[in-house]
Amino acid sequence: EVQLVESGGGLVQPGRSLRLSCAASGFRFDDYAMHWVRQAPGKGLEWVSGITWNSGTIAYADSVKGRFTISRHNAKNSLYLQMNSLKTEDMALYYCVKGLGGELRHTFDIWGQGTMVTVSS
Amino acid sequence: SYVLTQPPSVSVAPGQTASITCGGNNLGSKTVHWYQQKPGQAPVVVVYDDYWRPSGIPERFSGSNSGNTATLTISRVEAGDEADYYCQVWDSGARREVFGGGTKLTVL
Repeated sequence: EVQLVESGGGLVQPGRSLRLSCAASGFRFDDYAMHWVRQAPGKGLEWVSGITWNSGTIAYADSVKGRFTISRHNAKNSLYLQMNSLKTEDMALYYCVKGLGGELRHTFDIWGQGTMVTVSS
Repeated sequence: SYVLTQPPSVSVAPGQTASITCGGNNLGSKTVHWYQQKPGQAPVVVVYDDYWRPSGIPERFSGSNSGNTATLTISRVEAGDEADYYCQVWDSGARREVFGGGTKLTVL
């Protein structure tokens, strides 16, 4: 069964850091691009960052560029999101998402259930 | 930055056809994907690459894309189709993924 399981969310104060992880199983992880997509409570979907199969191309939304870093460890079938200088507007459910192909332009065909990040003092 | 515009809500009676639009500048030159999200659940792709349907998605779901508008069409709407629907494209110029604001489909 193809599965993505996120972890690492929680309550954090503004300005602090948090690292999200995503464990992938049921498919050949190193063949596919991976992404993080977030959804603030009651709001729409917002793409955060994406990384190609070999980490050759990485892209970020303007709202997180310079603060967040996406990475992957193909041997561990894992995706990460290092989030620094967190703001209240970063509070959201963060989804780990698989791309349909190895590059960033493909549709998102598998989604995890998400991990909640709460930013509050 | 590239913007996708969706109507906030669409209502349709059971058995009728729902059309959800997604507007963007020269959208027909891009590839559009559509996602369905039910309350408390993760999104699911229902149409990708403008008009392709993943396995397991009913034939009632179809897509088109031309000019400045892409459309998700749901035929013979059922109560279970009630959900939020999002369109999405890859903006190659800015190198980022873009989502529309979402459309809430209500089945009357």
